[in-house]
Amino acid sequence: GAGVSQSPSNKVTEKGKDVELRCDPISGHTALYWYRQSLGQGLEFLIYFQGNSAPDKSGLPSDRFSAERTGGSVSTLTIQRTQQEDSAVYLCASSFERGRETQYFGPGTRLLVL
Amino acid sequence: QKEVEQDPGPLSVPEGAIVSLNCTYSNSAFQYFMWYRQYSRKGPELLMYTYSSGNKEDGRFTAQVDKSSKYISLFIRDSQPSDSATYLCAMSGGANFGNEKLTFGTGTRLTIIP
Repeated sequence: GAGVSQSPSNKVTEKGKDVELRCDPISGHTALYWYRQSLGQGLEFLIYFQGNSAPDKSGLPSDRFSAERTGGSVSTLTIQRTQQEDSAVYLCASSFERGRETQYFGPGTRLLVL
Repeated sequence: QKEVEQDPGPLSVPEGAIVSLNCTYSNSAFQYFMWYRQYSRKGPELLMYTYSSGNKEDGRFTAQVDKSSKYISLFIRDSQPSDSATYLCAMSGGANFGNEKLTFGTGTRLTIIP
C-alpha cells in the first residue's frame, strides 16, 4: 500500500511568512508524529498525535509552531512568522496504536526561509 | 549535552570492509535501541531494534547494546555500495516504541567505495 506522503516536497518562503506542511499517514495508522531534521542536529521530536487523545506538544520549539490532525488522518504543521532558523527538513511518521511497530517516515518537506 | 551522541562522519570505507557505527547516550531510562537508515532525500527506515543489553544479528547487520557503558553499535559486514546512506541511532524508554517519541542521534553519513 501507499506509504506516508508529505507535501510540498520543497518550500521556499520569506522570513515572516506563514507556512503549512501537510502529512498523509498510512491508512489505518492511529499514531502520527512530526520531527524536524536540521543539519548536524539529527531528528528532533516536535509533536505526537495518538487517536483521539490530546496531542503531546512537548517538542514544539515555540508558540509559532502548531499542528492539527483532522478526522484522525491528515495532519498539518503550521509555522507562523517563519524565521531563518526554521529552515530544516520536516518529517512526518505514522504507526499502529499498539505493539512494537516501527514508525514509518515520509520523505519530508524541505523548508528554506530566506 | 545531548542525550544521544553520534559521530556525524563522514565515514568512507572500501567495498567488502566491516563498518562499525556507534552511539553513546546519557539517559539510563532508555530501554529500546534502534538503527535507522536514511538514503538521500528519503525518510528514515528502520533497520533493527534491540531491547536492553545484548546482540542481535540480521543478515549482514549486527546490533550491540552495552547498557552498563551506555554505548550501542551497528556492524555491517561485507559492506556494499548500496549501504551508502546516513545511519541514525534512536532510543526510547518504553516497550511500545512504535508509539513513543524517539530520541535520535545526529546520524553518521557512510559511503562505501566500490
